[in-house]
Amino acid sequence: NAGVTQTPKFQVLKTGQSMTLQCAQDMNHNSMYWYRQDPGMGLRLIYYSASEGTTDKGEVPNGYNVSRLNKREFSLRLESAAPSQTSVYFCASRPAYNSPLHFGNGTRLTVT
Amino acid sequence: QQQVKQSPQSLIVQKGGISIINCAYENTAFDYFPWYQQFPGKGPALLIAIRPDVSEKKEGRFTISFNKSAKQFSLHIMDSQPGDSATYFCAASYSAGGGNKLTFGTGTQLKVEL
Repeated sequence: NAGVTQTPKFQVLKTGQSMTLQCAQDMNHNSMYWYRQDPGMGLRLIYYSASEGTTDKGEVPNGYNVSRLNKREFSLRLESAAPSQTSVYFCASRPAYNSPLHFGNGTRLTVT
Repeated sequence: QQQVKQSPQSLIVQKGGISIINCAYENTAFDYFPWYQQFPGKGPALLIAIRPDVSEKKEGRFTISFNKSAKQFSLHIMDSQPGDSATYFCAASYSAGGGNKLTFGTGTQLKVEL
């Protein structure tokens, strides 16, 4: 049972480049989330998908887009990367309201 | 807007001591308060969670104390061990729609020394 799988684990981009972070879960969870983690700022929600076919903005959505491809997969796209998007990105899923979030191991992104 | 405030930012405790991390929240609609533990290079993992209808929940050496009137909750780690050295996050969410988003505190880096 793999849980939540994120790819890639590490990525370096130049300012202005684009990329897509991939996330897949094999637990049949309804809701999926993208967070970014920065020192001293905790985990901040970028976008979430409460159920297949729906997506909504979180606290810090600017500069990002998402796609809920199917129930398993939720991708995060940076169209034009900026140094302020240097961060560790975590994907998470949960089966229902107020149930535990299951996190992937993160993607460490550096934008130069 | 920081809806969940966590303190301290870092904490050093001797082996066998008690580690205490505090959180305060603003939104009275919150009805689920979990704590997550994160080791370097890994994603956070649920440690223990509480709902506001109880004042305390204990699982092994970990206890959550909850004070609804003060809008505060805390994590106590009894008999702290070096293996407890990690970053701890409190969080809160509410059930009434909005995707049931979890709002996290800023984290506490705990180091347990021998």
